[in-house]
Amino acid sequence: AQTVTQSQPEMSVQEAETVTLSCTYDTSESDYYLFWYKQPPSRQMILVIRQEAYKQQNATENRFSVNFQKAAKSFSLKISDSQLGDAAMYFCAYRNYGGATNKLIFGTGTLLAVQP
Amino acid sequence: ETGVTQSPTHLIKTRGQQVTLRCSSQSGHNTVSWYQQALGQGPQFIFQYYREEENGRGNFPPRFSGLQFPNYSSELNVNALELDDSALYLCASSIHGNTEAFFGQGTRLTVV
Repeated sequence: AQTVTQSQPEMSVQEAETVTLSCTYDTSESDYYLFWYKQPPSRQMILVIRQEAYKQQNATENRFSVNFQKAAKSFSLKISDSQLGDAAMYFCAYRNYGGATNKLIFGTGTLLAVQP
Repeated sequence: ETGVTQSPTHLIKTRGQQVTLRCSSQSGHNTVSWYQQALGQGPQFIFQYYREEENGRGNFPPRFSGLQFPNYSSELNVNALELDDSALYLCASSIHGNTEAFFGQGTRLTVV
């Protein structure tokens, strides 16, 4: 069974600085997807960034980028130029490639605080 | 284009009662998944519906059941509520086979 582990329950960053959130996962599959979701106090999960395992290039979305290390099964999220609006719970998630379901497996989350 | 909407936003039920939660999927999305998020935890997959049938289920007992309607909206039913069922219930809609899922704002269920 696949698992996702986030070892940082809480992180803090100064506004305009850079922060990295860690995620490791375990799977025997060779093809899969990895995601970072943001959950603000409004509770709605918002997709931040997605990585396909077959792509060697790390995904980037504006100020958000990932460091995907397939052999190490590591998938960290870097937030550059942190903004107050980035404060939220961040979840790392895994999904098998193909298959009948869109089932996402989530980690336990990292609560990010942004200090002004 | 409307997003995923869930109702109600909050509710309180008594242990042993039954509850129905509702989800309207995003326009054009034919697949709905339900997740349970306990306090301080990540969401856990309950089940998924596609073409009005359950086509995937997580480690949840049969008292968790669901429906999907022809317009792709969905219901989550929980019978014989237990205190541990207190959680945020999230609905996510997607296009079958597509990787991106869009979430609603959830229903906060409290069982007393």
